[in-house]
Amino acid sequence: GNSVTQMEGPVTLSEEAFLTINCTYTATGYPSLFWYVQYPGEGLQLLLKATKADDKGSNKGFEATYRKETTSFHLEKGSVQVSDSAVYFCAENSGGSNYKLTFGKGTLLTVNP
Amino acid sequence: GAVVSQHPSWVICKSGTSVKIECRSLDFQATTMFWYRQFPKQSLMLMATSNEGSKATYEQGVEKDKFLINHASLTLSTLTVTSAHPEDSSFYICSARGTADSPLHFGNGTRLTVT
Repeated sequence: GNSVTQMEGPVTLSEEAFLTINCTYTATGYPSLFWYVQYPGEGLQLLLKATKADDKGSNKGFEATYRKETTSFHLEKGSVQVSDSAVYFCAENSGGSNYKLTFGKGTLLTVNP
Repeated sequence: GAVVSQHPSWVICKSGTSVKIECRSLDFQATTMFWYRQFPKQSLMLMATSNEGSKATYEQGVEKDKFLINHASLTLSTLTVTSAHPEDSSFYICSARGTADSPLHFGNGTRLTVT
């Protein structure tokens, strides 16, 4: 079956540092790609998404570009804040409208002041 | 925004007993709900897809008699872990959506510990 591989954590950064969390997928065709974020004690929230090649999803200063040639969807942020500390999940949906997501294992990000 | 409430947030039960976990959509009608299981440092594994008024569709390898799913209304789905054993200890998460084009909304998860 399909799988999503993302950078293993934990990742610890200082405030205002640059963040990259790598994510690659194995699904063929053109799956929709997502980044979800889980803040402590809360459920998963959609952070951003991209539905076709070369699309860039962006939200709250985070960006990720759908790279078909490298089957990647790396998450980046130019200047992280303490409030960005959370677990980040990369996911893909190649199941069409059924929305059966395949998740990566999650990456714990801790940002220190 | 849309909220999905999952209850309880954590539960401890004895081996052999059954545990019910509820997933409610608070401000929208959820035509489809999904149940996931997450092991420590592992990704979320989809267990089953639940459509209101019909039987749940289970993923390969998930025992439907072990994990009973009921989606009796447009705002409530329940997952019952029957005759729980220590190996069922895990983090269970539900998600819900309205129409096929609606985004997914996740519950906060339930930590189940079977002693």
